[in-house]
Amino acid sequence: AAGVIQSPRHLIKEKRETATLKCYPIPRHDTVYWYQQGPGQDPQFLISFYEKMQSDKGSIPDRFSAQQFSDYHSELNMSSLELGDSALYFCASSLGLAGSSYNEQFFGPGTRLTVL
Amino acid sequence: GQQVMQIPQYQHVQEGEDFTTYCNSSTTLSNIQWYKQRPGGHPVFLIQLVKSGEVKKQKRLTFQFGEAKKNSSLHITATQTTDVGTYFCAGGRNDYKLSFGAGTTVTVRA
Repeated sequence: AAGVIQSPRHLIKEKRETATLKCYPIPRHDTVYWYQQGPGQDPQFLISFYEKMQSDKGSIPDRFSAQQFSDYHSELNMSSLELGDSALYFCASSLGLAGSSYNEQFFGPGTRLTVL
Repeated sequence: GQQVMQIPQYQHVQEGEDFTTYCNSSTTLSNIQWYKQRPGGHPVFLIQLVKSGEVKKQKRLTFQFGEAKKNSSLHITATQTTDVGTYFCAGGRNDYKLSFGAGTTVTVRA
């Protein structure tokens, strides 16, 4: 079965550079979530989109922005990168909003971002 | 802030023993989901509980949802090395948001 695809899998950037992470949800899934996970931490919710509209916003820095496109894929844009942005970034997708019943999230493999 | 609390943060278990991880919310949940993340991997959905007092089993794993729909537990019997990883609960709220607990990281002594 098709899973969530994230690209790139690994990314190395310098401080103050920009980065774009891409997420391709499972076909027919209309909801995309972005999480940031530091070493030994739980996934911290950043932002989500439902039917191409922002549905919820978590602890996403102002330096970050995201959008969901007409084909439901999503991109997380990160500017003025800081050392503290180094983390594993997960994208997850679901059919409908995950807080409602029966809508589990399917996580992608993640993008490991290293800021030097 | 963390709206779903999960304890313990770490669980060191002797192979063959049982253990339980607990999840508590300050507010009533619409559902509770459990995920497992293996070291170096991504969270994988295990199960969802929706009904008050619901109990579900997956082989050696038993999941419970409290009567008040504010707490949940995951009990693993006869722990195996394949059980290593971090178990996250995630509480679904009526506003369609999902709040993850901090996770319980399980290590197994052979």
